[in-house]
Amino acid sequence: DAGITQSPRHKVTETGTPVTLRCHQTENHRYMYWYRQDPGHGLRLIHYSYGVKDTDKGEVSDGYSVSRSKTEDFLLTLESATSSQTSVYFCAIRTRAPIDASGRSSYNEQFFGPGTRLTVL
Amino acid sequence: AQSVTQLGSHVSVSEGALVLLRCNYSSSVPPYLFWYVQYPNQGLQLLLKYTSAATLVKGINGFEAEFKKSETSFHLTKPSAHMSDAAEYFCAVVHYNNNDMRFGAGTRLTVKP
Repeated sequence: DAGITQSPRHKVTETGTPVTLRCHQTENHRYMYWYRQDPGHGLRLIHYSYGVKDTDKGEVSDGYSVSRSKTEDFLLTLESATSSQTSVYFCAIRTRAPIDASGRSSYNEQFFGPGTRLTVL
Repeated sequence: AQSVTQLGSHVSVSEGALVLLRCNYSSSVPPYLFWYVQYPNQGLQLLLKYTSAATLVKGINGFEAEFKKSETSFHLTKPSAHMSDAAEYFCAVVHYNNNDMRFGAGTRLTVKP
């Protein structure tokens, strides 16, 4: 358990309404991620953050925005929800790996939150 | 960009039988590879990871995977399936210098009594 919570856990909303999902961590990890999970697609990266106010786009970022004003919180916003955004959303964190003897940084695994099931009607 | 392909969206085995879940990756540089498991209505949990040390990686719950560069594969195995292994399994790949982890579509494992 990496101290990750997501809220809300379930949400039903109408097309065209704004929605914000929250990811909260308790261990001050630098890297945070938002994924969506859909049948047949596995998990796909929406946005990620590598520090406060430092974010970047992932594979499926269209229609989503993020903000990180504090280390512990990473918010995902759907400005105007569409039915295609019905999905299960997962937040993840990653600790920074040490530099190995060759000077290369290893890659620590990501730890995932419990998920938020979003339905857009 | 890197990618993974998981062969077989559903695998069914009998309790006590060998589990083999296949994962092939595509990457232009040495990758880091991961296997995650997801139980119903839960998040993903790490089973094991390959980060360029030993090519045979042992994970939790008796699972292991072997990195084979010549075959670009990272198949997951377990000698004897248990009913509690029924879940969905995801293979993932990432490069050391980026944050864009790519997941396979997943393989659902069913274990028959």
